[in-house]
Amino acid sequence: EEQLVESGGGLVQPGGSLRLSCAASGFTFRSYWMSWVRQAPGKGLEWVANIKEDGNEKYYVDSVKGRFTISRDNAKNSLYLQMNSLRAEDTAVYYCARWGISSNCFGVWGRGTLVTVSS
Amino acid sequence: SYDLTQPPSLSVSPGQTASITCSGDNLGHKSSSWYQQRPGQSPVLLIYRDGKRPSGIPERFSGSNSGNTATLTISGTQAMDEADYYCQAWDIDTAHVVFGGGTKLTVL
Repeated sequence: EEQLVESGGGLVQPGGSLRLSCAASGFTFRSYWMSWVRQAPGKGLEWVANIKEDGNEKYYVDSVKGRFTISRDNAKNSLYLQMNSLRAEDTAVYYCARWGISSNCFGVWGRGTLVTVSS
Repeated sequence: SYDLTQPPSLSVSPGQTASITCSGDNLGHKSSSWYQQRPGQSPVLLIYRDGKRPSGIPERFSGSNSGNTATLTISGTQAMDEADYYCQAWDIDTAHVVFGGGTKLTVL
């Protein structure tokens, strides 16, 4: 079974940092682009970042550019999101998702991890 | 930036057809996808490449995309279809992924 499991969420103060992780299983992780998508409480879905199979291409939504860094470790079948200079508006459930580069869609989603930015 | 617009809400009676629209500039020239999200759950892919269904998705879900509008059609709507629905496209110019604002479907 194809599975993504996020971890690392929690409560952090404004200006603080947090690192999210996503463990992949059931598919060949190194063969897929991967992504982070977030959802603020009661709001819609927002794409955050994409990373190519080999990690050499990365793309970010403008609101997190310069603050967030997406990375991956194909040997560990893991995806990461380093979040710095966090703001209240970054409060959301963060989903790890598998991006289909030919189908241009998210075919597999994790259950998400909640990040709360508050003093 | 590229934007996708959906109606915030839609109501339909059980057994009827629900059509959820998603509008964007020249959206018909892009590949559109649709997701269903039930309360407290992760999104699930319903439709990709405008009208293809992943395995396990019921045939009552279908999609189309032309001009500036993509449409998700649910035939014979059931109570279990009550959920939020999101359209999504990929902007080739920026390599950014875009979601519509979501449509809350009520079956009553």
